[in-house]
Formats: sequence, structure tokens, C-alpha cells
Amino acid sequence: AQSVTQPDIHITVSEGASLELRCNYSYGATPYLFWYVQSPGQGLQLLLKYFSGDTLVQGIKGFEAEFKRSQSSFNLRKPSVHWSDAAEYFCAVGAPPNFGNEKLTFGTGTRLTIIP
Amino acid sequence: SQTIHQWPATLVQPVGSPLSLECTVEGTSNPNLYWYRQAAGRGLQLLFYSVGIGQISSEVPQNLSASRPQDRQFILSSKKLLLSDSGFYLCAWTPPAGLNTGELFFGEGSRLTVL
Repeated sequence: AQSVTQPDIHITVSEGASLELRCNYSYGATPYLFWYVQSPGQGLQLLLKYFSGDTLVQGIKGFEAEFKRSQSSFNLRKPSVHWSDAAEYFCAVGAPPNFGNEKLTFGTGTRLTIIP
Repeated sequence: SQTIHQWPATLVQPVGSPLSLECTVEGTSNPNLYWYRQAAGRGLQLLFYSVGIGQISSEVPQNLSASRPQDRQFILSSKKLLLSDSGFYLCAWTPPAGLNTGELFFGEGSRLTVL
């Protein structure tokens, strides 16, 4: 069965500092990997996704993530965080979206707090 | 462009009362539709998904049911709410097979508190 682990429940960083959120997955084949962001009381928005090709993927809002098959990881990074990045971040893994029945498995999320 | 709407945004209901949460998608046809529940510290749990009118798949046994009476309408229901039904419910959609890139598009969520 597929699974996702986000080992950090809560991370606090200073505005302007760099950020790395960890994500480890378990999947029996080539995974489709996603990072979503959720502002308080809101739905989720896709930051970036990895299906194949270049293992370093760029997303919206200045985020990037690197797929490392040997480590089963898909960590999210940003070189300099802004106060508006405070939110909850979810990593997800799923099968290729064939037949429209793709079902993602989400991690439990990492809450990011930004301090001035 | 496509949009997704969920309502109500917040709901406080007594134990044993019925529930109806509605979700509609605009600007697309034949979407795949999903209901997720989000509990604190537990991520998102897929409850139901649908690939067409009247076609509902349930992922976990529970006190809830779902229906899809129209192509772009997805309803989450309960006849008698339990305390454990409290949570944040999210509706989501994807394009149908062949157009699907795997990205889920989420509504803004419905906060249910059962007292």
C-alpha cells in the first residue's frame, strides 16, 4: 500500500530564511508526487507536481522540490520565505491518473509558522 | 475557467440530526468528483469519489453517504450525525480520463461541528 510520511508536524522559520519540508513516500512503482498548500480555513492549492523527467521541479510562489528515488523522498524547498508562506503543506503520492480514478494518499501535513 | 463551490462554509449540528453538504463545479463537463475529510493531525482522508452521474465509490465505511444527481453536483449526506463526524470536509474535482493530469482542484471546505 502506498503511504506518505511528513516527519515534521510544525516548523518555525524566520522571514527571509530558507525552508525545507520533508516528505518520504512508499510506493510500488514510479510515483506521481505532489505538494499542496492550505491556508487556514481554506481548500488546498497545488504548488508543484512530479511525474517524470527532471527530478528538480519548479512550482508556484518560488517553491521547488527534488525527487530522490534512492531516498524515496520529495522534499519541498524555498530559498527565502515570506510571511505569506505561513500555511499547512501536504505531500501526496498517487498512481498515474488513468481512467480518472486516481486516488492520492496525503501526508499528515506540516504547519509552517513564519516569525519576523 | 472552472470553479468549484461548496456550501455551507460552516455548520453546527446536534447529534442525531441530518446533514447535507453540497458541491458544484462549473466550467467543465463530466468531472471526477471527490469528498475528503480533514481531521487535525491526520491529513486528508478520501471518503467518496464519483466518475459519473449516479456512480459513487466509497473508500471507508462510515455514517455518511454521497450522491451525484447531476453531472457537476456532488452531495455528502448523513441521516443521523455522530460526534465523530465533526471535521473539515473538502470537495474536489479532476478532469475526466484523458484530460486528467492528476491535479485535484479543491473547494474552500465546509467546517462541520457536531454537538
